[in-house]
Amino acid sequence: QVQLVESGGGVVQPGRSLRLSCAASGFTFSSYGMHWVRQAPGKGLEWVALIWYDGSNKYYAESVKGRFTISRDNSKNTLYLQMNSLRAEDTAVYYCARDYDEWNFDLWGRGTLVTVSS
Amino acid sequence: QSALTQPASVSGSPGQSITISCTGTSSDVGGYNYVSWYQQHPGKAPKLMIYDVSNRPSGVSNRFSGSKSGNTASLTISGLQAEDEADYYCSSYASSSTPYVFGTGTKVTVL
Repeated sequence: QVQLVESGGGVVQPGRSLRLSCAASGFTFSSYGMHWVRQAPGKGLEWVALIWYDGSNKYYAESVKGRFTISRDNSKNTLYLQMNSLRAEDTAVYYCARDYDEWNFDLWGRGTLVTVSS
Repeated sequence: QSALTQPASVSGSPGQSITISCTGTSSDVGGYNYVSWYQQHPGKAPKLMIYDVSNRPSGVSNRFSGSKSGNTASLTISGLQAEDEADYYCSSYASSSTPYVFGTGTKVTVL
């Protein structure tokens, strides 16, 4: 079935790193751009990053630029988010989402919670 | 890049119509037709309801409609139903250092 499943979340200390994964199934992963979107507890949605279908272009929110890196492995149908120098304000549920018709998200995972705390 | 501005809450009775506004600037909502709307029930992932200002994805009820005038986009829900009670977020492409922005979110309550 068509789905996205995130993993890799957990509790991490400020300044440390974490890598999230998003496993895609049921569709041709290599044909779609992919996004990461996050939601702090009780707060609204915040777009984080986009990677084109072939990995040739990447875009980031100003709040994570220089600290986070989005990547993908089309042979493994998997999207990644490498998060370095984590801060308390990065605490959120991180969703991966499929791009639809440019800058629309038509398929979402269930999310993985990242908590940055000492 | 600041979040787009939405009312914190909107309510209506079953069968009524409600409209949620989403105000941005000429650098986002007003400058592009890349405005989308998402519905999010508690503890669930968001769901795409409207894209490119007024288009509905397959499977979304035609009770949901979108429009835009200047820097303000709107989502209208007609024939309000209990299952429409949720949080709604607008979003837009933006010509700034952060190329995509969401709205502040609106909680819709069905009375």
